[in-house]
Amino acid sequence: TQLLEQSPQFLSIQEGENLTVYCNSSSVFSSLQWYRQEPGEGPVLLVTVVTGGEVKKLKRLTFQFGDARKDSSLHITAAQPGDTGLYLCAGAGAGGTSYGKLTFGQGTILTVHP
Amino acid sequence: DAGVIQSPRHEVTEMGQEVTLRCKPISGHNSLFWYRQTMMRGLELLIYFNNNVPIDDSGMPEDRFSAKMPNASFSTLKIQPSEPRDSAVYFCASRLGQISYEQYFGPGTRLTVT
Repeated sequence: TQLLEQSPQFLSIQEGENLTVYCNSSSVFSSLQWYRQEPGEGPVLLVTVVTGGEVKKLKRLTFQFGDARKDSSLHITAAQPGDTGLYLCAGAGAGGTSYGKLTFGQGTILTVHP
Repeated sequence: DAGVIQSPRHEVTEMGQEVTLRCKPISGHNSLFWYRQTMMRGLELLIYFNNNVPIDDSGMPEDRFSAKMPNASFSTLKIQPSEPRDSAVYFCASRLGQISYEQYFGPGTRLTVT
């Protein structure tokens, strides 16, 4: 069974601060995705990282995939109240019975205060 | 462009009753996933289909749960009989092809079993 540990579970910060969310596993994933979920809605895909060491930027959000494809991080610069939500990482199985399946982390609830 | 459609959005039922959740995936997507989300366990994969065929149902908690996909545009998740511990938000997601791991989620059905 592949597990993804996400930290921290809760993050409460002031507008303008920077933050980093971590996603770690002992398993190798073929790709890793980050989703954002708002109350009453389903998760929405933010980014997919595929190559070990890959870095992707989406405006103020920076995503990194570990060299060994076992971990990932999400860094937000100058957080804004609109960034508030639940952030989920999800690893795609590398093969065998895990192929095609996503394993989700427990999520990080981010609250950005104005 | 319509996303994944789920119905009902909210369901309140009494213990022992049958519950049927419905999902219409994005047109052209050939993989469909059913998830359950709770505060305690996060987002868990219950079952997924490729080309209407169930591929992995190892996440289905008990025989009380069953899922069908009679055609490419419709799927159901049935719980019979329902129990209070089944209370959760149930999400359906669809994916285009098997190469892309990107899943698109519906808005979810919030199920409350009293």
